[in-house]
Amino acid sequence: QKEVEQNSGPLSVPEGAIASLNCTYSDRGSQSFFWYRQYSGKSPELIMFIYSNGDKEDGRFTAQLNKASQYVSLLIRDSQPSDSATYLCAVNMGGSGGYQKVTFGIGTKLQVIP
Amino acid sequence: DTAVSQTPKYLVTQMGNDKSIKCEQNLGHDTMYWYKQDSKKFLKIMFSYNNKELIINETVPNRFSPKSPDKAHLNLHINSLELGDSAVYFCASSRGQGYYGYTFGSGTRLTVV
Repeated sequence: QKEVEQNSGPLSVPEGAIASLNCTYSDRGSQSFFWYRQYSGKSPELIMFIYSNGDKEDGRFTAQLNKASQYVSLLIRDSQPSDSATYLCAVNMGGSGGYQKVTFGIGTKLQVIP
Repeated sequence: DTAVSQTPKYLVTQMGNDKSIKCEQNLGHDTMYWYKQDSKKFLKIMFSYNNKELIINETVPNRFSPKSPDKAHLNLHINSLELGDSAVYFCASSRGQGYYGYTFGSGTRLTVV
């Protein structure tokens, strides 16, 4: 079973619409959850992190966490063509030797159509 | 002033060669990582060092050897390069064990021919 699952997409949305990106994870003991944005040929950039159940808003971005369902989502309101990128869900979970490690999903490619 | 810097940015080399990638961070973080991103864009952890101590060593061929001379530097040496080693290698750093997320370097695109 994959530890962090995402639909690889592409997810196409028209400019100005809400883009909804989803992620599930396998480790119930996971403590913190991240969304990274990666433009083609660039490195991942942290855009949101969340560790409590519920919603966390930052500008046009809202992260949602439901630990009971092991589900994390990212909403992007008023999507812009510049939001076109791959969005990586990442989860901080227990690794070997008691250390935490961040495990990434495959990423969802978002295309915002002008 | 780059927070996490990697060198070189591009590396093209022949099979069987040995090469190194260097990483430095000026964020004062105490944990550093090497991740590999393959052609399918999947980002997978290889190693992690906390204050110069190796704490994560995933299933990686022993041709790959990390070294951390101090907590601001983490290097990756690869012996006897193979075609399958071609990928983008990212260095990252974090405060503690990454509870607040990582800062990534710009990546090193390794091509083995």
